[in-house]
Amino acid sequence: GENVEQHPSTLSVQEGDSAVIKCTYSDSASNYFPWYKQELGKRPQLIIDIRSNVGEKKDQRIAVTLNKTAKHFSLHITETQPEDSAVYFCAASGGTSYGKLTFGQGTILTVHP
Amino acid sequence: NAGVMQNPRHLVRRRGQEARLRCSPMKGHSHVYWYRQLPEEGLKFMVYLQKENIIDESGMPKERFSAEFPKEGPSILRIQQVVRGDSAAYFCASSDDRGRTGELFFGEGSRLTVL
Repeated sequence: GENVEQHPSTLSVQEGDSAVIKCTYSDSASNYFPWYKQELGKRPQLIIDIRSNVGEKKDQRIAVTLNKTAKHFSLHITETQPEDSAVYFCAASGGTSYGKLTFGQGTILTVHP
Repeated sequence: NAGVMQNPRHLVRRRGQEARLRCSPMKGHSHVYWYRQLPEEGLKFMVYLQKENIIDESGMPKERFSAEFPKEGPSILRIQQVVRGDSAAYFCASSDDRGRTGELFFGEGSRLTVL
């Protein structure tokens, strides 16, 4: 089955700096790669996703890049703000069941004012 | 348009008791997924259901766990004879019939504590 590795496990940045979180996956059949943000005690919320037919996608301060050859994808957050502090999860799925996601272990992002 | 509704939000059970967690998908969604999140870990897929059908239960423990999504009413995740290791947050998610985006919408979760 699919295996997703996520790094780093914790990330601390100053407000205004950029943050980058990286994930690798094992199953070459995976073709859908979402990123979720989870605040303490809350539900995971989709912040951005990318499919295998594109290499990069951007939404305001958030961007995701995908390298299918190397089987890795990354989340980039620019101009970080304290409210960006949360746990971020990458995930991968493919085939006929996009909803069967394999999640990474999570990255605790702390943005210091 | 109400989101995915889960209840109870918090549930406390003693070892050996049963836990029933309920999930109502978003309006118009007939695909339901259950995930388990252990403390300080990522979410793990458990089961994927459509109305009256279990599509994929590859992530479900073989014993004590069962799930259903009847024609009428919410999806239910049932844990029999709970043990302390079952303490976790259980999230339900739903997606639309056509699966056109693949996006999952998660509920707020049910947090099970086994004493």
